[in-house]
Amino acid sequence: EPEVTQTPSHQVTQMGQEVILRCVPISNHLYFYWYRQILGQKVEFLVSFYNNEISEKSEIFDDQFSVERPDGSNFTLKIRSTKLEDSAMYFCASSEIAANYGYTFGSGTRLTVV
Amino acid sequence: AQSVTQLDSQVPVFEEAPVELRCNYSSSVSVYLFWYVQYPNQGLQLLLKYLSGSTLVKGINGFEAEFNKSQTSFHLRKPSVHISDTAEYFCAVSEVGRQLTFGSGTQLTVLP
Repeated sequence: EPEVTQTPSHQVTQMGQEVILRCVPISNHLYFYWYRQILGQKVEFLVSFYNNEISEKSEIFDDQFSVERPDGSNFTLKIRSTKLEDSAMYFCASSEIAANYGYTFGSGTRLTVV
Repeated sequence: AQSVTQLDSQVPVFEEAPVELRCNYSSSVSVYLFWYVQYPNQGLQLLLKYLSGSTLVKGINGFEAEFNKSQTSFHLRKPSVHISDTAEYFCAVSEVGRQLTFGSGTQLTVLP
């Protein structure tokens, strides 16, 4: 079964450093998403991406965040200057059709900011 | 705006007993409904989804859910649980073309 692949599985970074979280969506999917889950809290939407541009973003997705599809297979989330409160599990997801049929999620990257 | 309420944060149940995890949603338009499961230290796996048609939806691992439009509910059920069903279960809703909004999750713990 096709999978969404996320790397790394765990990343530790110092406060103020830039991090890039990487995702390889399912190859024929057109819509891409980032969600995050702070420990013990609900899964929260960050951003959706289609046709090489952001289609929707949440209040969480401020100027410190950016997304990019640098080539035909990768989808990245960059946090420019990490804060302690950015520590969370970050999930990438992709879907063939926007939202309607449910996403396929990756297994997540646990980001720890120290 | 769409929202989801999962009424129980923790549900302990004995092995082979039935279980129901409750989910209510709020939206001003038609929605699609989903249940995801998260096993410890793993990602989110789609259990089942309601898009249209029959209000009783069957998913993986013997789970099913019933969409009730008048009560705006989408409760998840399983007639007989196993130890391996211990996990966090998330209900989610999306309006057409919008992102998923998740509930706060229900931790199902199956006791021997």
